[in-house]
Amino acid sequence: AQSVTQLGSHVSVSEGALVLLRCNYSSSVPPYLFWYVQYPNQGLQLLLKYTSAATLVKGINGFEAEFKKSETSFHLTKPSAHMSDAAEYFCAVNSWTEKLTFGTGTRLTIIP
Amino acid sequence: GAGVSQSPSNKVTEKGKDVELRCDPISGHTALYWYRQSLGQGLEFLIYFQGNSAPDKSGLPSDRFSAERTGGSVSTLTIQRTQQEDSAVYLCASRSGGEQGSDTIYFGEGSWLTVV
Repeated sequence: AQSVTQLGSHVSVSEGALVLLRCNYSSSVPPYLFWYVQYPNQGLQLLLKYTSAATLVKGINGFEAEFKKSETSFHLTKPSAHMSDAAEYFCAVNSWTEKLTFGTGTRLTIIP
Repeated sequence: GAGVSQSPSNKVTEKGKDVELRCDPISGHTALYWYRQSLGQGLEFLIYFQGNSAPDKSGLPSDRFSAERTGGSVSTLTIQRTQQEDSAVYLCASRSGGEQGSDTIYFGEGSWLTVV
């Protein structure tokens, strides 16, 4: 079985500060990992994904994530937060054996 | 179409009524998923269709829920005898390719269901 744990259901950062959203995964086979963003009243949009190529993955809107097998982590970061980054962020894991499984989400608030 | 299309975007129904939610995946995508997102909750997997294989129905919460996919394209999620706890956003998603887990999954805007 596979699962994802997102630490912190709510995260607040000041505009211009570092954004760090945590995600840890569990998978019995090599995982594929995803970060999705959901803006208010919208569907989910892919930010970035890890597919076993480079461990540091760059996505849209200045976000990136690093796959660390030893820590079973795939944390999402952005050096400088913008007001437009306020949204809900979901980490997800998939593998060739199972369907996409989501974490419970982290709501990011940006403080002006 | 260019993206995953869902209808209706909003539905208010009376408790006990049946509802149908429609999903039109991206053209050529062989895999289709339904997820449910309740207020303040994460995304709950409901059902997964892959090509001509038998669907994975392991996430359907009760026998009031069913889904079909006609002609390998459009899918309909049906909820019979709706209950207030069925109120949620129902998200449809699709991806291309076969069993490879690295394919990007694209989501629709969702169908917001309110049972009163």
